[in-house]
Amino acid sequence: EPEVTQTPSHQVTQMGQEVILRCVPISNHLYFYWYRQILGQKVEFLVSFYNNEISEKSEIFDDQFSVERPDGSNFTLKIRSTKLEDSAMYFCASTVIETQYFGPGTRLLVL
Amino acid sequence: AQSVTQPDIHITVSEGASLELRCNYSYGATPYLFWYVQSPGQGLQLLLKYFSGDTLVQGIKGFEAEFKRSQSSFNLRKPSVHWSDAAEYFCAVLNSGGGADGLTFGKGTHLIIQP
Repeated sequence: EPEVTQTPSHQVTQMGQEVILRCVPISNHLYFYWYRQILGQKVEFLVSFYNNEISEKSEIFDDQFSVERPDGSNFTLKIRSTKLEDSAMYFCASTVIETQYFGPGTRLLVL
Repeated sequence: AQSVTQPDIHITVSEGASLELRCNYSYGATPYLFWYVQSPGQGLQLLLKYFSGDTLVQGIKGFEAEFKRSQSSFNLRKPSVHWSDAAEYFCAVLNSGGGADGLTFGKGTHLIIQP
């Protein structure tokens, strides 16, 4: 069964550094998403991406975040200058139209 | 704005007992509703979903959920829980326009199974 994959599974970075989180969505899916889950809190929507551009974004997704689909398979989330409060689990998801399938997540720790 | 409320932060159930996890949503139209499960250190796995039609939906692992429009609820049930059901359960709602919209999640219910 096709799955969404994410790399790395864990990442530790210093405050102010740039990080890139990678995702490979399910191959025939059209919409791609990033969510985050701060420890002990609920999963929050960050951004959706369709047809090579951002479709929707939440208030969390500010100028320090960006997304890209650099090739036919990868979907990336870049955080330009990480802050302590960016420490969270980041989930990628994809869908054909309504049912979103999630990857296993990347746990980001900012020190 | 749509919202999802899961009133129970923790629930403890004995193995073999029945389970009901509550979910209430706030949304103007008929939403698309989902239950996801997150095992420790794992991602979110879809248990079941409701878009329209029969208000009782069946999912994986023996779970079912019932959509009640009058109560704005979408409660998750299982007749007999197994130790492997211990996990975090999230209810989520999607704008019925679907597509690019993100899911709105509840805060989750942590299910503990007693032997």
